[in-house]
Parts: sequence; structure tokens; C-alpha cells
Amino acid sequence: DARVTQTPRDKVTEMGQEVTMRCQPILGHNTVFWYRQTMKQGLELLAYFRNRAPLDDSGMPKDRFSAEMPDATLATLKIQPSEPRDSAVYFCASGMSGGNTEAFFGQGTRLTVV
Amino acid sequence: GENVEQHPSTLSVQEGDSAVIKCTYSDSASNYFPWYKQELGKGPQLIIDIRSNVGEKKDQRIAVTLNKTAKHFSLHITETQPEDSAVYFCAARAVRNFNKFYFGSGTKLNVKP
Repeated sequence: DARVTQTPRDKVTEMGQEVTMRCQPILGHNTVFWYRQTMKQGLELLAYFRNRAPLDDSGMPKDRFSAEMPDATLATLKIQPSEPRDSAVYFCASGMSGGNTEAFFGQGTRLTVV
Repeated sequence: GENVEQHPSTLSVQEGDSAVIKCTYSDSASNYFPWYKQELGKGPQLIIDIRSNVGEKKDQRIAVTLNKTAKHFSLHITETQPEDSAVYFCAARAVRNFNKFYFGSGTKLNVKP
């Protein structure tokens, strides 16, 4: 059963600490999305990769957030330094580019910055 | 860019009744419209989708309709059951913007037994 795997599921950290969230996309998928979900803003797209190259990260605060794909099986989202307003659920999704295909979501990482 | 609006934000129905959720989009070039269901503590899961060359699609109790001229699409759930209670998101895939998905704000559906 192919699925997107995100780790950790939950993370509580103190303000100012670095946070790294990891995502293993479905094998063979060539697009990866990072979304942030809050009650106020809903699902916000933070970053979008195709074939490991960043296509769009305009939704991401550049001063503290960074997203990378070291290889085809791993995507990372880092926050440094973290702030309480970063508290949210972060979702990774993967899919295939081209054509009209769905995005498959992981279970999310619930981040709480205190 | 694309803008997707979704209504209502909350919907409460009696078990067995139908539920309808509506979305509008702004970019006429968008060509793929998935609907996701999100249960508490889980990621969104695709339940049905429709492509721009089709006006309606049905899968058992759920159906989606698309009106390209008016740029709106709707999710219809018939014979609702308590397990249909969840948050539902519509989305549009923006061809003109790297094929990114733009999501509506979500509808919290409550099916009362």
C-alpha cells in the first residue's frame, strides 16, 4: 500500500530551536508539495518540487524556512529559528507531474512551538 | 493566480439526507478538480475528482458536477452516514502556475445520527 510517510508525527519545541520535518514521497512520484494547515489560513502551499528541483517556494517565509530534496526518496522542511506562530500541521504530498493526477497526502507533522 | 472559494464552511445534516458543497475558481485554464476528505488527525484523502472535459462524475453515494462556463463545481453526497462526518476540501489545479493545487477553505460536515 503506497503512501507518503512523514516524520515526526508530533513535535513540541521551544521558540528559537531548529525544527526539521521529513517526508518520504511515494516511490516513482516526481512532484512533492509542502502545505501548512492552520484553522485561520486553511491549507497554504509552502513549496513545490518537481524532479527534486524547487519550482515554487513563494509561499514560504524565506528568512526562517527552507525546503530541500536531497534525493528522490526524501524531502525536508526546516524552520530555523522556530517561532510560536509556526505552530501548525505541516503536510507533505506527492504526485506525478503532467496530466491531471491527484496529490497524495501524508499524515502530517503537528508542530507546537512554545 | 488561481483562487478557490468554498461554501458553506460548516454543514449539518441528518443521517440519510443529502449534502452539497460548492466551490468556485477563478482561472479558466484550471483543468483538474479533486475533492479531499480529511478526518481528525489525518491527512486529506482523495474521494473523487473531475477533469475539465467532463461535466459530471459519480461514485456510489458521491458525485461531482462541473460547470466550466460559470467556473464552479460541487460535491454531492447522498444518503449521508455518520462516517461521512469530516472536513471536505475542494481544489483546482492551476495549469498556468506550475500545475499547483489551490485549495478551498474547507467545509466541516456533521452528519447527525
